[in-house]
Amino acid sequence: SFELTQPPSVSVSPGHTARITCSGDALPRRYAYWYQQKSGQAPVLVIYEDDKRPSGIPERFSGSSSGTMATLTISGAQVEDEADYFCYSTDSSGDHYVFGTGTKVSVL
Amino acid sequence: QVQLVQSESELKKPGASVKVSCKASGYTFTDNALNWVRQAPGQGLEWMGWINTDTGNPTYAQGFGGRFVFSLDTSVSTAYLQISSLKAEDTAVYYCARDADQLLFLYWGQGTLVTVSS
Repeated sequence: SFELTQPPSVSVSPGHTARITCSGDALPRRYAYWYQQKSGQAPVLVIYEDDKRPSGIPERFSGSSSGTMATLTISGAQVEDEADYFCYSTDSSGDHYVFGTGTKVSVL
Repeated sequence: QVQLVQSESELKKPGASVKVSCKASGYTFTDNALNWVRQAPGQGLEWMGWINTDTGNPTYAQGFGGRFVFSLDTSVSTAYLQISSLKAEDTAVYYCARDADQLLFLYWGQGTLVTVSS
């Protein structure tokens, strides 16, 4: 079955850069999306179509994709960026969508 | 503005059924499909599938056929998720979510916690 694999956790000091990876076989042909979920809240879309930022999302959030890996970068991480982050994409057929395993980002 | 408002938390016994609602406002209900997403306690997000709000046709992700049913009442702009023969492992927060063109899952309901316990 189609899977997207993320590291379980990433730690970053305030003001430094955090990079979260998402690995999947279909990513060379399919877009990646990224969601931020803070404790007890619904997820928020922070990146769509690999590298586009929705209105209202801070510029420190950026995305990229190369080969079988997509990456979410938080440049100059803030304490309020501490959250779980999930990637999302589809398999090669486009019929089956899946979320990544999730990465807990700690800013300390 | 677009809003998705879900029903309140539910506590059910194993074997019972539950129906979670997702009421949409701020747009034409039949213009956009609605997705359902599950999140078990302390776990990640699982895409359950989606329902075409124009035709009522549902599409279920692998593992969510059978006991899980998506339905609509377009007269009140509301989508429903019904789960039958509840098991303890169905305990989770269930979200509805809507796309906005290429911005997948831009809008989310607040989530409904379903707890299955004897």
